[in-house]
Formats: sequence, C-alpha cells, structure tokens
Amino acid sequence: GEDVEQSLFLSVREGDSSVINCTYTDSSSTYLYWYKQEPGAGLQLLTYIFSNMDMKQDQRLTVLLNKKDKHLSLRIADTQTGDSAIYFCAESKWGYQKVTFGIGTKLQVIP
Amino acid sequence: ETGVTQTPRHLVMGMTNKKSLKCEQHLGHNAMYWYKQSAKKPLELMFVYSLEERVENNSVPSRFSPECPNSSHLFLHLHTLQPEDSALYLCASSQAGTGGADTQYFGPGTRLTVL
Repeated sequence: GEDVEQSLFLSVREGDSSVINCTYTDSSSTYLYWYKQEPGAGLQLLTYIFSNMDMKQDQRLTVLLNKKDKHLSLRIADTQTGDSAIYFCAESKWGYQKVTFGIGTKLQVIP
Repeated sequence: ETGVTQTPRHLVMGMTNKKSLKCEQHLGHNAMYWYKQSAKKPLELMFVYSLEERVENNSVPSRFSPECPNSSHLFLHLHTLQPEDSALYLCASSQAGTGGADTQYFGPGTRLTVL
C-alpha cells in the first residue's frame, strides 16, 4: 500500500538551515512533492521532483531524493520566521489521479 | 477572484442540520478534489472529480454527498453529521491528463465543527 511518513515537529533557530525528512513506501511513485501550510490557509505547493532526479534546487530550497532508500528531504537555507508552517511530503504515480500526503512536519523557527 | 476559493470559511452545525460547502476554482483546471484534514492524521482524500465525473470515492460515509455541476464548481453536501466529522475540509483543483506532475492548488479550507 501507499504510505508517506514524516516526523511531527522540527525546531530551528533563525538563520540556520532546516532539514525536513520524509520516507515513502511505494517504489512506483513517480513524483514527490513538498507542500507548505501556514495557519488558517490551505496547502501551497513549494516544489516537486521527478523520481529519476536526485536533487532539485530552487532559491533557498533544496530537495534531495534517495530512490533506493525511498527517502526525500527538504532543506531550507537561512530559515526565517516566515518559514514557520507545516510542511507536507506527498507522492503520486504517473497516470493515477491521486496524491498521497504525509502527516505533515510542523517547523518552528525561533528568533 | 483568483486561485481556489471556499465558502464558508467557518461552519458550526448540529447533528441534525443540512449544510453545503462550496468550492470554486478560477484556474481553468479540469479536476477537483475534496480532502479532510484532521489533527495528527494524514490528509484524507474524499472525492475526485475529473471532467465533472466522479472518479474516486474513498469509502466516505453517505452523510457526505459531493456535487460537481461544472468544472469550476464543487460542492460538499452535509447531513446528519457526527462530532468526529469536525475537521478542516480542503478543496483542490488540478489540470489532469497532461502526463506530468499532479500539481494541486488548494483553497483555504472550511473549518467545520459538529456539535
């Protein structure tokens, strides 16, 4: 079955790097996503990576994918207080109109 | 209006009430989704509509009834709900069938409380 797992909570100091980790079970996953949810808002897509890639960088965000271990991570450089939110890892398979989400990791940035 | 909008943002209802949640997308997408978000649980996919046809129904109780009159609007009709149905209900849309990533755009959600 499909399962996406994340730790519930991460606390970092402002200016440090944050690394949020995720593991998934379905080896046929085609796309892996990171979404961000701020208080009182819906989920906002931050970035996604195709399963044949191992890294994707977008400004302060770096996504690393270890397909062998089914491990995905999101690194946020120079973390700011505005980065405080819940971050969701998700996966989908090509041809299937379904995205499976993890439970979300709450990132707390300490000034 | 841009993106995905949802109304109402907050709803309190009794177990015998009937209410409806509304979602509208202004992105020209052809697929719409209802999710339930409860504390400390993964996001639960409830319904998927693609080209106005329901393509997925994840064993959702019949007290939840979706309706998709056109590709821009999605409703969730609620009746005789239970307190455990209290949650944040999120609507999303995407452009399905492109063969690429299923990039979903979410609305802000409706916070539902069932008394």
